[in-house]
Amino acid sequence: DSGVTQTPKHLITATGQRVTLRCSPRSGDLSVYWYQQSLDQGLQFLIQYYNGEERAKGNILERFSAQQFPDLHSELNLSSLELGDSALYFCASSVGLAGVGTGELFFGEGSRLTVL
Amino acid sequence: SQQGEEDPQALSIQEGENATMNCSYKTSINNLQWYRQNSGRGLVHLILIRSNEREKHSGRLRVTLDTSKKSSSLLITASRAADTASYFCATDAIGSWGKLQFGAGTQVVVTP
Repeated sequence: DSGVTQTPKHLITATGQRVTLRCSPRSGDLSVYWYQQSLDQGLQFLIQYYNGEERAKGNILERFSAQQFPDLHSELNLSSLELGDSALYFCASSVGLAGVGTGELFFGEGSRLTVL
Repeated sequence: SQQGEEDPQALSIQEGENATMNCSYKTSINNLQWYRQNSGRGLVHLILIRSNEREKHSGRLRVTLDTSKKSSSLLITASRAADTASYFCATDAIGSWGKLQFGAGTQVVVTP
């Protein structure tokens, strides 16, 4: 158990809909990362937050948004869903920014999104 | 685009054999990390090697880093069936502000 909790574990929805994925980081971790894993794109970095502030942005679509709340949990919002958004979405947390301290990321078990 | 590229894409070995996989990357790094993922599960951190280190060991794992060639290797000695998983390298590039980039992974199957 990594200590990172993601909900829901599975989600099936229709095209055009909007979903929210939630992540609770490990106790004490200030950084939260979101990754998308699909068969054709591999593991893609989406966005990173550190102590409530956005710190790094990757290949995140404009239809997607995220935030980190004062209690450090994070939510990833996916809107106007398309078939191609079907993927496994991972949240990870770390003590600080990668490269500072251990740099080790602790991953949750992921939220599997299926868009029909 | 992905920073790291693993080679081979897939590897099939028998229990007791060693498994070696390689990772090449493009830019200068702060550190390089290896992770394991069992099918459909979350990734698990294995080992981190900093840019000023050349080799690191952790149990049956040995990681090397050659910054001049921008490459790293992961060796798993005396493989077990439980080592069956996908293995990913991830790079913390200088100036990336925490954007840890993962490669496509090497799928390892260890047969009893």
